[in-house]
Amino acid sequence: QLQLQESGPGLVKPSETLSLTCTVSGGYINTFIYYWGWIRQPPGKGLQWIGSACYSGNTYYNPSLKSRVTISLDTSKNQFSLKLSSVTAADTAVYFCARVPSGYDPNWFDPWGQGTLVTVSS
Amino acid sequence: QSALTQPASVSGSPGQSITISCTGTSSDIGTYNYVSWYQQYPGKAPKLMIYDVSNRPSGVSNRFSGSKSANTASLTISGLQSEDEGDYYCSSYTSSSTVVFGGGTKLTVL
Repeated sequence: QLQLQESGPGLVKPSETLSLTCTVSGGYINTFIYYWGWIRQPPGKGLQWIGSACYSGNTYYNPSLKSRVTISLDTSKNQFSLKLSSVTAADTAVYFCARVPSGYDPNWFDPWGQGTLVTVSS
Repeated sequence: QSALTQPASVSGSPGQSITISCTGTSSDIGTYNYVSWYQQYPGKAPKLMIYDVSNRPSGVSNRFSGSKSANTASLTISGLQSEDEGDYYCSSYTSSSTVVFGGGTKLTVL
């Protein structure tokens, strides 16, 4: 059974870079079949897709975040990561990682990690 | 990209059926059969309930069904149960190769 677990600092200072890692167990990320994605949810608000990446090297990002986001895969550790630069308080959210089973036109997410809260504050 | 439009809240009594709508545009729902639905309980991760408009993942009750007409997708829950209470989100693939979510709908079981 595939499981995903987010990890990283819970507190990031404004203007710095948010870095999170998603560790995958029960399966491997070095496959062309799936994408691997990040989604976030500000406190009390809805879901926002951040981006998705595949072992093939293809990546897709939310246009509103594209200039600040990088998603990369580390197959040696079976992990994928999120980097979001120049953060502000508006980036405070619970960040989820998820598998994107639809390898063509990647669009749905299953399963999800439990999520990790990242607060941007000095 | 603009978020898909969902009603903020819906409610129903046990045993009843309810439908949650999700309205997009011709650049997303109207063009692609790539609509998915998620159920989320407070403090928990979302759970996939429907993908590709009307497909149910293994383990999801057949009380949940999805459909689409033009730019609007719908999630119907029949035989409403107390455990169905929670937040529901739709999402769609877009012509820009991105994913957009709806604002979410809070379902209350009366």
